[in-house]
Amino acid sequence: DQQVKQNSPSLSVQEGRISILNCDYTNSMFDYFLWYKKYPAEGPTFLISISSIKDKNEDGRFTVFLNKSAKHLSLHIVPSQPGDSAVYFCAAGDSWGKLQFGAGTQVVVTP
Amino acid sequence: NAGVTQTPKFRILKIGQSMTLQCAQDMNHNYMYWYRQDPGMGLKLIYYSVGAGITDKGEVPNGYNVSRSTTEDFPLRLELAAPSQTSVYFCASSQGPEAFFGQGTRLTVV
Repeated sequence: DQQVKQNSPSLSVQEGRISILNCDYTNSMFDYFLWYKKYPAEGPTFLISISSIKDKNEDGRFTVFLNKSAKHLSLHIVPSQPGDSAVYFCAAGDSWGKLQFGAGTQVVVTP
Repeated sequence: NAGVTQTPKFRILKIGQSMTLQCAQDMNHNYMYWYRQDPGMGLKLIYYSVGAGITDKGEVPNGYNVSRSTTEDFPLRLELAAPSQTSVYFCASSQGPEAFFGQGTRLTVV
């Protein structure tokens, strides 16, 4: 029962352009939504989060949008940089960190 | 800052062998988790703990056991290893919605 879905396994974007990653969920009881970034041979690292009571959160080049009626969130990276090349996981869960993860989107930023 | 430390980083097991994956955190977090990640898949929750002495099953607990005798440590035990347990295992801890992850243990069962 996959409650968090990332339907795009990969995304290629030019350096300096916008990267948009999408995520859908089915459980309306989730309190928090998070994005993690993962490099090969490393553990996931936290990128940005948003609580269910907000619809937007920004942190530097990263912005997360939440559309509760559509059960959809997205991550915008502007501008994209070569160091952003990684796998990005969408996650959703409660207020103390028990998370469900999507399958991930591999982002490749090309010069 | 050590954060979440997992050992070993790599391990090859034969079918039927057993082993313990170690996890320690130094952030005094109450909540700890074990996830596994299979190729092309997201992370699946195996077991979690909300504090010392308290553990509970996640989505994929079969074939694993855990214990939590201290706040810092949360070992994962594999009994009778099977090829289906070939995966990358991540331990994590949290004290809020954001979980912090270790670097992972790559386990191959042959």
